[in-house]
Amino acid sequence: DAGVIQSPRHEVTEMGQEVTLRCKPISGHDYLFWYRQTMMRGLELLIYFNNNVPIDDSGMPEDRFSAKMPNASFSTLKIQPSEPRDSAVYFCASYRKDSAGNTIYFGEGSWLTVV
Amino acid sequence: GENVEQHPSTLSVQEGDSAVIKCTYSDSASNYFPWYKQELGKRPQLIIDIRSNVGEKKDQRIAVTLNKTAKHFSLHITETQPEDSAVYFCAASKGSTLGRLYFGRGTQLTVWP
Repeated sequence: DAGVIQSPRHEVTEMGQEVTLRCKPISGHDYLFWYRQTMMRGLELLIYFNNNVPIDDSGMPEDRFSAKMPNASFSTLKIQPSEPRDSAVYFCASYRKDSAGNTIYFGEGSWLTVV
Repeated sequence: GENVEQHPSTLSVQEGDSAVIKCTYSDSASNYFPWYKQELGKRPQLIIDIRSNVGEKKDQRIAVTLNKTAKHFSLHITETQPEDSAVYFCAASKGSTLGRLYFGRGTQLTVWP
């Protein structure tokens, strides 16, 4: 398997623009997580899905952020409108609950800069 | 929620020495404690993990210990090498959703040759 695939890897956008980050989890994984990493706050969970259903979105900072998982192989994280404080690395991760080891796999991350 | 504290924030050791990073957690229901290594510009990578029914786990030069009573766990790296230099994160989760991780703030480990 190619692992968790994220796109874009890098994005620079202007304040006020819409940003869409994409994630393809590992095939067969039933949990998908969106994490954000900043110097100020470290690694924090934004939202996670189980079988495509959002379970906990308490980490989503505000209404400007939204996430969807229309099917088992695709998820998006959208920021509209974007602000400079949204600049961060956004990681998608997935795992399969009943697999041996229950290892969580992280994608390479999407590096977002809002100017 | 869970609060995970990690110390020290930076650690410098000479090649061949041992390195120890410590974490505490607040929620006694937490039952899974992974450690991640993150190199500059890369994703976090799992290096070792431990579950609450085990007190110690070892994998070659890396070991993790867990004290459930005191709610702390530690990462031990022996015979450190320059390629061990990275940021190390501890994390905790509870219940059946192991991927819902609460992370420590990280330790920048530098191993000098």
